Amino acid sequence: GAVVSQHPSRVICKSGTSVKIECRSLDFQATTMFWYRQFPKQSLMLMATSNEGSKATYEQGVEKDKFLINHASLTLSTLTVTSAHPEDSSFYICSADTSGGAFWGETQYFGPGTRLLVL
Amino acid sequence: EDQVTQSPEALRLQEGESSSLNCSYTVSGLRGLFWYRQDPGKGPEFLFTLYSAGEEKEKERLKATLTKKESFLHITAPKPEDSATYLCAVQVYTSGGSYIPTFGRGTSLIVHP
Repeated sequence: GAVVSQHPSRVICKSGTSVKIECRSLDFQATTMFWYRQFPKQSLMLMATSNEGSKATYEQGVEKDKFLINHASLTLSTLTVTSAHPEDSSFYICSADTSGGAFWGETQYFGPGTRLLVL
Repeated sequence: EDQVTQSPEALRLQEGESSSLNCSYTVSGLRGLFWYRQDPGKGPEFLFTLYSAGEEKEKERLKATLTKKESFLHITAPKPEDSATYLCAVQVYTSGGSYIPTFGRGTSLIVHP
């Protein structure tokens, strides 16, 4: 099956610094990628939808200036958490889609996630 | 507001002890309901998609069913390797053409040998 990777898998940073997380589709081209955040024992919350070559669409309540998303190619999307604070500590997951976002389920391939801890 | 509720929050089973996980939803215009398996520290892994009431899907020891208000994930004779968190998500039609699903909080399943 299709593979999506994320890097890094775990990152610890100081409050006020910026952190970049990469999401790559390794063996397919993804026109659409999604970024999620998951707090312990909470549901997966969609943060934004990233389309290659265009601006990301952010979900309500997600600060676009704080969570910068860049989808520069069909295989790479990046999420930058700017001026991170302890409340940004969470598990960040990306998914890559082969249907342009029209369908879900079997056309969505999730990355392994990135654990961010802000001290 | 669309809602997805999974129960129980946690479930402990003995190996071989069959059970069911529930996902109830209150949405208008269901487009699809999805089940995922998530291992600790990993991203979700797709299991099933259900589109209409009465539909059933099976994979090894897992069987997913769908009604107009809820979905069940039945686990028959589970093994310790079935231990994971099982996530349910629903996708709805929106006037804006959005297809973003809403996830439940998941059911954490532990199967003891």
